[in-house]
Amino acid sequence: AQKITQTQPGMFVQEKEAVTLDCTYDTSDPSYGLFWYKQPSSGEMIFLIYQGSYDQQNATEGRYSLNFQKARKSANLVISASQLGDSAMYFCAMRAVTTDSWGKLQFGAGTQVVVTP
Amino acid sequence: GEEVAQTPKHLVRGEGQKAKLYCAPIKGHSYVFWYQQVLKNEFKFLISFQNENVFDETGMPKERFSAKCLPNSPCSLEIQATKLEDSAVYFCASSQSKGNTEAFFGQGTRLTVV
Repeated sequence: AQKITQTQPGMFVQEKEAVTLDCTYDTSDPSYGLFWYKQPSSGEMIFLIYQGSYDQQNATEGRYSLNFQKARKSANLVISASQLGDSAMYFCAMRAVTTDSWGKLQFGAGTQVVVTP
Repeated sequence: GEEVAQTPKHLVRGEGQKAKLYCAPIKGHSYVFWYQQVLKNEFKFLISFQNENVFDETGMPKERFSAKCLPNSPCSLEIQATKLEDSAVYFCASSQSKGNTEAFFGQGTRLTVV
């Protein structure tokens, strides 16, 4: 069985500072993908960044980077230079490709980020 | 299209009425997934399709929920005889494959059962 854990229900961060959102996962599948999504108060799910389990380098997309530590089964999201528009709920998700998962995403409980001026 | 298109954005139904939600995946994406999000937190997987074939329906409450993806038509999720606990945001997502590629979500349909 797969599991995604986000231990931070909420956090405050000051504008222009960096913030790290924790995500740990558990799977026995050798091949999987890790995703981060942003959900602002308007409700849509915005894809931020993706890391494949066989990728050698950590994924980066603009101000977002994924700190992938495979041995520790962690996939933390780092947002650099926070902006007020980064205030949102952030979800970590995993997809494995073998047998019982069949490609569906497993989500963590989310972390609510509030960026303050 | 370049984005996953879900309609309607909002849907209000009286208890016992039928609700039908639609999803047009990104062009070229073979896999479609439906998720239910209750209270802005927990996501529950409902069903997935590979083209028009059901791929995984382990999350579907089979008595009242059904879904289809027919060729040249948007995919649909139908709830017969809605209940109050069906109130949620229903998201559709599409991917090129079921494996290690990005999954893109639609805007969601907010279903309110009154």
